Amino acid sequence: GENVEQHPSTLSVQEGDSAVIKCTYSDSASNYFPWYKQELGKRPQLIIDIRSNVGEKKDQRIAVTLNKTAKHFSLHITETQPEDSAVYFCAAMRGGYQKVTFGTGTKLQVIP
Amino acid sequence: NAGVTQTPKFQVLKTGQSMTLQCAQDMNHEYMSWYRQDPGMGLRLIHYSVGAGITDQGEVPNGYNVSRSTTEDFPLRLLSAAPSQTSVYFCASIRDGRGYGYTFGSGTRLTVV
Repeated sequence: GENVEQHPSTLSVQEGDSAVIKCTYSDSASNYFPWYKQELGKRPQLIIDIRSNVGEKKDQRIAVTLNKTAKHFSLHITETQPEDSAVYFCAAMRGGYQKVTFGTGTKLQVIP
Repeated sequence: NAGVTQTPKFQVLKTGQSMTLQCAQDMNHEYMSWYRQDPGMGLRLIHYSVGAGITDQGEVPNGYNVSRSTTEDFPLRLLSAAPSQTSVYFCASIRDGRGYGYTFGSGTRLTVV
């Protein structure tokens, strides 16, 4: 089955700096890669996703990159703000099948 | 449109008791899943369903049963609760296999004593 590794497990940045979270996956058939943000005590919420036919996707301060050859994808957050503090999960999914494998999460702390 | 509704939000069980966690969605999503979330272990799939009448096991199915009699509902049953089942449980649904990201319920925090 799919295995998703996520690094780092914790990340502290100064407000205004950039944050990068990296994930690798094992199943070359995976073709959909969502990212979720989970604030303390709340449900995970989808913040951005990318499909395997795209190398990069941006949405305001958030971007995701995908390297299919190396089987890794990354989340980039620029100009971080205190409200970006949360746990971020990456995930990998095979198209046509809803079984999603999640990474173990990264706790991001943005220091004002 | 309420999205994915989970009940209860909190529950304390004694070892050996059984209970059902309820999950309902009103988005006509085909796919529904149950995850448990434990510190440092991310979200692990318990059971999932690709449509009414069809269910299958995920990564950690032992001690749990599911059924999908309707498109809307996907209850999770704990047969005989154990302390190892203390966790936060999330139900999630997704429209179809093309993948547009899961919609999660608000979660159930379960403690087994």
